[in-house]
Amino acid sequence: DAKTTQPTSMDCAEGRAANLPCNHSTISGNEYVYWYRQIHSQGPQYIIHGLKNNETNEMASLIITEDRKSSTLILPHATLRDTAVYYCIVRVASGPQGAQKLVFGQGTRLTINP
Amino acid sequence: EAQVTQNPRYLITVTGKKLTVTCSQNMNHEYMSWYRQDPGLGLRQIYYSMNVEVTDKGDVPEGYKVSRKEKRNFPLILESPSPNQTSLYFCASSLRITGELFFGEGSRLTVL
Repeated sequence: DAKTTQPTSMDCAEGRAANLPCNHSTISGNEYVYWYRQIHSQGPQYIIHGLKNNETNEMASLIITEDRKSSTLILPHATLRDTAVYYCIVRVASGPQGAQKLVFGQGTRLTINP
Repeated sequence: EAQVTQNPRYLITVTGKKLTVTCSQNMNHEYMSWYRQDPGLGLRQIYYSMNVEVTDKGDVPEGYKVSRKEKRNFPLILESPSPNQTSLYFCASSLRITGELFFGEGSRLTVL
């Protein structure tokens, strides 16, 4: 699986949009981009995923560049409860290990400030 | 409520005393897996299962065993725990290959 690079930490003001970047320059054509977050030591929570088109759900938007070498997770109106570690992961979508194998890096520690 | 349930949530044990961490999901998911999380090392996959009676090693399987006799359960077995297995453990499941993973709340294990 391709490796991802994320900033170690970021700050954002409450109510503003939080934009979390991720580089995945070695991504393959069959690899999806996933975002998860982990609040304190709770189980990671799925946020969103995509292949090449931009995606939006009730939690966030995912913007993937045309060359797919980077992406940005956008939390449109950050709240204090969005303070967490955010993981960007690329993963093969097929094959035995693609089903479950997620390689979590160190992620970005996002702090939302009042 | 759809969930992945792990037990125990907290456990302190001694070296060599066999223990099992149970994992159960109520979503009829085919895929289940175990991860451990350690400071500075992130989440690492221990074992995964594609379906009943189908399991395979992840990145750090040494010292662990798993079984998948029923679709809903995927226990993690430490036959002879050692202090380097002190960690935070997460079980996860998903319905499809490309689907989201649902994680349990974690089991914090300390081996003395």
